[in-house]
Amino acid sequence: AQTVTQSQPEMSVQEAETVTLSCTYDTSENNYYLFWYKQPPSRQMILVIRQEAYKQQNATENRFSVNFQKAAKSFSLKISDSQLGDTAMYFCAFAVGANSKLTFGKGITLSVRP
Amino acid sequence: GAVVSQHPSWVICKSGTSVKIECRSLDFQATTMFWYRQFPKQSLMLMATSNEGSKATYEQGVEKDKFLINHASLTLSTLTVTSAHPEDSSFYICSARNAVMSPGYGYTFGSGTRLTVV
Repeated sequence: AQTVTQSQPEMSVQEAETVTLSCTYDTSENNYYLFWYKQPPSRQMILVIRQEAYKQQNATENRFSVNFQKAAKSFSLKISDSQLGDTAMYFCAFAVGANSKLTFGKGITLSVRP
Repeated sequence: GAVVSQHPSWVICKSGTSVKIECRSLDFQATTMFWYRQFPKQSLMLMATSNEGSKATYEQGVEKDKFLINHASLTLSTLTVTSAHPEDSSFYICSARNAVMSPGYGYTFGSGTRLTVV
């Protein structure tokens, strides 16, 4: 069974600064996909970034980047130049193969301070 | 981009009644639908997975007779909470996926339904 662990329940960051959210996972599969989702107060799930396990290069989307360490089964999210709109709950998620369900971590509440 | 319309966004019902939640994929074929439940400040818990035209596969501990899932068409899936009780009060979210998408792509979420049973 796959598991996703987010051990930090809450974090806070000053606007314009950088913050890193941690995520580890456990799987025996070799081909899988990792995601970070954002859930703002509206509760709409928004995809932030995704990473294919077979790709060594870390994914980047504007201010968001990941540090994917396959051997360590670690998938952290770095948010640069934090903005007030980044305040949300962030979930790390995992999927194996086509049409697979997403398995979510417990989530972390990120607050960006003005 | 792909859109999933989920209705209602919120509903209040009396204990013992049934409530139906709909998820429609507006611009793609949802061959697979995932239904999640989320309590405040907690993660999304998968309740069931349904493929169009097939019976849903329920996660362990989810009562299939209580949470009826229908996925009769490629654009519509419904979750009916039967004989609702206060403990069923929660936030329910659907996520649709088109099987023709490359693996790891194409999970589109509805906006969620807040159910309150009084």
